[in-house]
Amino acid sequence: ETGVTQTPRHLVMGMTNKKSLKCEQHLGHNAMYWYKQSAKKPLELMFVYSLEERVENNSVPSRFSPECPNSSHLFLHLHTLQPEDSALYLCASSQDWGPSSYEQYFGPGTRLTVT
Amino acid sequence: AQTVTQSQPEMSVQEAETVTLSCTYDTSESDYYLFWYKQPPSRQMILVIRQEAYKQQNATENRFSVNFQKAAKSFSLKISDSQLGDAAMYFCAYRNPYGQNFVFGPGTRLSVLP
Repeated sequence: ETGVTQTPRHLVMGMTNKKSLKCEQHLGHNAMYWYKQSAKKPLELMFVYSLEERVENNSVPSRFSPECPNSSHLFLHLHTLQPEDSALYLCASSQDWGPSSYEQYFGPGTRLTVT
Repeated sequence: AQTVTQSQPEMSVQEAETVTLSCTYDTSESDYYLFWYKQPPSRQMILVIRQEAYKQQNATENRFSVNFQKAAKSFSLKISDSQLGDAAMYFCAYRNPYGQNFVFGPGTRLSVLP
């Protein structure tokens, strides 16, 4: 596999469920990101990890819990979500986190529906 | 805080014609990076073109080119000889030079008419 992959591609969960989103990058990058994409809203950066250490957390509710066990894998653990959390969740990676790196490479996203 | 504005929620173009998508941004920085990303209906976002603010020359990638007007804080994307595969959401994005603080615009949905 090449690039950035995400599983599952679609997820429907109840508000009391616990689920996890998985992201894997095959590019040898050191930085990974979670974004939330809602209809008619700009992409919202949620979390940034650089070398498995969280470097950004943009005021995301605690019901979203990221985990980065190594530089190739990134998880987003979901617990007690609300219907307004329904969105497309995009994972991205870049060579590094810092001025030397340019673009991000995105995964296909997980379409999450909270019922 | 930096902001990115795309004033055209939707655009359409006839196949083989040229279309220009608008983007303006607000920043107090003098050095930064600008990007256009494309998100086709399959949803995987891919980079179309990037521009370093310190470069005066407009970036070009095959049929895609930009018109970068630094003083006006404008960064438009021109697609020449439009193809059906160009139909997608296009996002303009800004990144400051100090970190990975990407700011995305709301997007423009481009339709290509046969």
